[in-house]
Amino acid sequence: SQTIHQWPATLVQPVGSPLSLECTVEGTSNPNLYWYRQAAGRGLQLLFYSVGIGQISSEVPQNLSASRPQDRQFILSSKKLLLSDSGFYLCAWNTRTFSYNEQFFGPGTRLTVL
Amino acid sequence: AQSVAQPEDQVNVAEGNPLTVKCTYSVSGNPYLFWYVQYPNRGLQFLLKYITGDNLVKGSYGFEAEFNKSQTSFHLKKPSALVSDSALYFCAVRANKLSFGAGTTVTVRA
Repeated sequence: SQTIHQWPATLVQPVGSPLSLECTVEGTSNPNLYWYRQAAGRGLQLLFYSVGIGQISSEVPQNLSASRPQDRQFILSSKKLLLSDSGFYLCAWNTRTFSYNEQFFGPGTRLTVL
Repeated sequence: AQSVAQPEDQVNVAEGNPLTVKCTYSVSGNPYLFWYVQYPNRGLQFLLKYITGDNLVKGSYGFEAEFNKSQTSFHLKKPSALVSDSALYFCAVRANKLSFGAGTTVTVRA
């Protein structure tokens, strides 16, 4: 069966510090991978998605970047965090075969920038 | 452009009563529609989806949803709600990408 992991689960960082959040998927190959941010426990904003190693599409220009160094690894980064980067970050995956395949979400990382 | 709307921020029902969470969508072409549930401080869990075929879709935990093309709606329903159904529910539509509604908080009181 497939599983998706995210770490850390919670993170408190000062403004201006760097960020690295990691997401890994097990039990599948060549997944599509996604990073979302959820603010104030409400709607999800798609930040990045990837259809393969080294292939990153950005949905919203901002202070963050993403990388996919391995097939099942997706990393969200920032060089200098802003207060507005606080939120709940969710990684998700689905299979590439059909565009209507549902996405499966990780447990999330709660980021607080002080 | 595609969009999805969940007109109710909150839905409150008594345990044992029917539960309905509303969703309407706007998309060019045939929509792929999804419902997800999120429990506090957790990731989203997939409940069900409509791709094609029967307008009534059955999903996890006794939930079902009805696709209505003329009303561009995809309301989530459960005939008899449980306290454990209390959570945040998201409707989503996929055309070129997956777009989520703002979410509806469901509270089921004992």
